[in-house]
Amino acid sequence: EVQLVEFGGGLVQPGGSLRLSCAASGFTFSTFAMSWVRQAPGKGLEWVSAISATADNTWYADSVRGRFTISRDDSKSTLYLHMNSLRVEDTAVYFCAKEHLINVTPLVDTWGQGTLVTVSS
Amino acid sequence: QSVLTQPPSVSGAPGQRVTISCTGSRSNIETVYDVHWYQQLPGTAPKLLIYSNKNRPSGVPDRFSGSKSGASASLTITGLQAEDEADYYCQSFDKSLSSWVFGGGTKLTVL
Repeated sequence: EVQLVEFGGGLVQPGGSLRLSCAASGFTFSTFAMSWVRQAPGKGLEWVSAISATADNTWYADSVRGRFTISRDDSKSTLYLHMNSLRVEDTAVYFCAKEHLINVTPLVDTWGQGTLVTVSS
Repeated sequence: QSVLTQPPSVSGAPGQRVTISCTGSRSNIETVYDVHWYQQLPGTAPKLLIYSNKNRPSGVPDRFSGSKSGASASLTITGLQAEDEADYYCQSFDKSLSSWVFGGGTKLTVL
């Protein structure tokens, strides 16, 4: 069974840092691009960042570029999101997402359960 | 303000048919990019419902169907059931933003 489990959410002060992890199982992690998608309380979905299967390409939403860094450790089948200079508006549930590319349009075929990040003083 | 526009809410009685629209632009839907749809039941992670405009993953009932025309896409649910009450999101890719884009989501209420 394909499974994604996120860790690392919590309460952090504005300007602080946090690292999210996503442990993958049930598929060959190293052959898939991965993403992070977030959802602020009561709001819709927002794509945050993606990393290619080979880790040589990364992409970021404008709202997090320069503050967040996505990375992966294929030896541990784990995806990371390093978040710096956190803002109140970064408060959200962060979902780890396994990507699939169909007709040049990426999609999420498997979602983690999400981990809540709260940025507040 | 989402790049893809969806109605905030729709409703229907059990057994009825509802349609949720998703409107984009020449930078996303009205190009080579497909539209995918996700269902998010209350308190859970989203789930892929329709991919590449009209295809259902294994296990998704054929009550759910999708289409795309021009800069718009639609999700149609026929034979509405109480368990369909959820939030629905469309998603594509935007070539100008070089970014995934989601619709703002539509809350479906089964009356």
